Amino acid sequence: RKEVEQDPGPFNVPEGATVAFNCTYSNSASQSFFWYRQDCRKEPKLLMSVYSSGNEDGRFTAQLNRASQYISLLIRDSKLSDSATYLCVVTLSGTYKYIFGTGTRLKVLA
Amino acid sequence: DGGITQSPKYLFRKEGQNVTLSCEQNLNHDAMYWYRQDPGQGLRLIYYSQIVNDFQKGDIAEGYSVSREKKESFPLTVTSAQKNPTAFYLCASTPDRNYNSPLHFGNGTRLTVT
Repeated sequence: RKEVEQDPGPFNVPEGATVAFNCTYSNSASQSFFWYRQDCRKEPKLLMSVYSSGNEDGRFTAQLNRASQYISLLIRDSKLSDSATYLCVVTLSGTYKYIFGTGTRLKVLA
Repeated sequence: DGGITQSPKYLFRKEGQNVTLSCEQNLNHDAMYWYRQDPGQGLRLIYYSQIVNDFQKGDIAEGYSVSREKKESFPLTVTSAQKNPTAFYLCASTPDRNYNSPLHFGNGTRLTVT
């Protein structure tokens, strides 16, 4: 089983739609969680950290479910510019490891 | 503006040649990392360094070498021993060594070896 798993997609959604991705992790010692956005042939850029109580940044909401070992990202009112690959990243307590999922590809259609 | 600079953006080399990728940061970050990204795969850690003059192997260090002589700089050498060097290489840093901070990435170097 992969340490961090994501549905690769693509998720094709119309502009204005709400879309949600999940990311599951296998190690219960996972400590910190992040969502990154990566555009084609570019570097990943931090979208948001994920906090235990959940957090929101504009149209983006992140949730953490430690009992079921997954994090989620909700995007409301999708824009064409949201089209990208979304990477889930998990760190393990007491280690140097940032573990990356392979990403979920989102296409927002006009 | 603070950030991480990787150069060059595109690099082409013949098989059998060593090549060095540059990574410089002016964020005053302690920890620096090198990752490799291949299509359809997550980023994989090559080497990381928590402090000057110290570095550790990541998951796929074979065929690579690094140095950390200055806090700002963490160059990666891809040697001829690396079997499949063609990839997108990403340098990253974090301000501290407790691994709770998000990674900041440079803009990457795309290496093609023929």
